[in-house]
Amino acid sequence: NAGVTQTPKFQVLKTGQSMTLQCAQDMNHEYMSWYRQDPGMGLRLIHYSVGAGITDQGEVPNGYNVSRSTTEDFPLRLLSAAPSQTSVYFCASSYSQRQGRPYEQYFGPGTRLTVT
Amino acid sequence: DAKTTQPNSMESNEEEPVHLPCNHSTISGTDYIHWYRQLPSQGPEYVIHGLTSNVNNRMASLAIAEDRKSSTLILHRATLRDAAVYYCILRVLYGGSQGNLIFGKGTKLSVKP
Repeated sequence: NAGVTQTPKFQVLKTGQSMTLQCAQDMNHEYMSWYRQDPGMGLRLIHYSVGAGITDQGEVPNGYNVSRSTTEDFPLRLLSAAPSQTSVYFCASSYSQRQGRPYEQYFGPGTRLTVT
Repeated sequence: DAKTTQPNSMESNEEEPVHLPCNHSTISGTDYIHWYRQLPSQGPEYVIHGLTSNVNNRMASLAIAEDRKSSTLILHRATLRDAAVYYCILRVLYGGSQGNLIFGKGTKLSVKP
């Protein structure tokens, strides 16, 4: 298994540009989520999904959109990038309670985004 | 969400045991205690979790107080590779947000050779 993969690894955007951060997992996990991590801070939850077609907001959802059309993919969209969105973004996945194993989450390697 | 309190940083010598404390005085009966760690420039990785009883796995041990208001992650022999930020997290078992991990700032563990 490749686990959780994220692309790109690095990205520089100008203010107002849009882009999509890709996240994919090959473990048949129902639950997927996006976090951001600012320097010296812990991770903060942006959006999450408990299955295909179902998404919900986390702690810091403003400025980000998500969709979940398949079990494997959970892209994160920045519609109009702002310097405050400069951060490292992590995607994660896990089994859900409905699948009977609500335990460890697997994290991707992260995308380092800079907005100038 | 119930919160956790951890020391900002700790130091250890290589090959010595490390005890990382976590206080969670407002824990509820359905909260699991999870520990994750984040190595430099990497995503977090799962370490261990528990509910009421002490737990052991290949990476670490988790000691949970009888009243569940505190827990301790034990690394039996620290190696240089264990230098990381360790997060103690309470994870809700039931409900729509049952998968969510709420991260604090964690404890930065330094390991000296």
